[in-house]
Amino acid sequence: GAVVSQHPSRVICKSGTSVKIECRSLDFQATTMFWYRQFPKQSLMLMATSNEGSKATYEQGVEKDKFLINHASLTLSTLTVTSAHPEDSSFYICSARLKTSNQPQHFGDGTRLSIL
Amino acid sequence: SQQGEEDPQALSIQEGENATMNCSYKTSINNLQWYRQNSGRGLVHLILIRSNEREKHSGRLRVTLDTSKKSSSLLITASRAADTASYFCATATDSWGKLQFGAGTQVVVTP
Repeated sequence: GAVVSQHPSRVICKSGTSVKIECRSLDFQATTMFWYRQFPKQSLMLMATSNEGSKATYEQGVEKDKFLINHASLTLSTLTVTSAHPEDSSFYICSARLKTSNQPQHFGDGTRLSIL
Repeated sequence: SQQGEEDPQALSIQEGENATMNCSYKTSINNLQWYRQNSGRGLVHLILIRSNEREKHSGRLRVTLDTSKKSSSLLITASRAADTASYFCATATDSWGKLQFGAGTQVVVTP
């Protein structure tokens, strides 16, 4: 149980393109989803907390107009990287958590984004 | 910002040996979690230990938590080549369950 699906797994596109990444909880309802960014051989950096039906909460230094998050249902959150540039190239990972506290997060398999 | 710091950064052992990695953190926590990440993949949850717990086991994994020292350790016993991965500790400090990850320990188990 507690499976999170992230799609696509890999994106290669030209500079200036907007890219949408989907994160779905397949067998549970996730009121809260999280979006992370990971650079090679580094740890995960939390970008934002996505709450169903309300605006996402962004971490300090993360541009909300650059990284648009929509959490329209209890099983789907999307991250859109708008007008992507080479410096946005990274590994993006989502996670979802069950409603009750003291529960682990369940992670998607990540999206490798490469901007040419 | 990262709350947890892990050591060692890298660990190379042979199959059958035990692997121990440590995690230190700075503020009070609700719980501490350990995750594994295979190269280019997402994270897999291993163990969650609550702030009022001191030790937890799951198969070949043993986690300890010392809140007075703000530290935790993960022990993998009788390691296998399939245990090769990066291991991260993460602390949960608020009601949303936001996690702050440590820098990770890269473990290589050779046959």
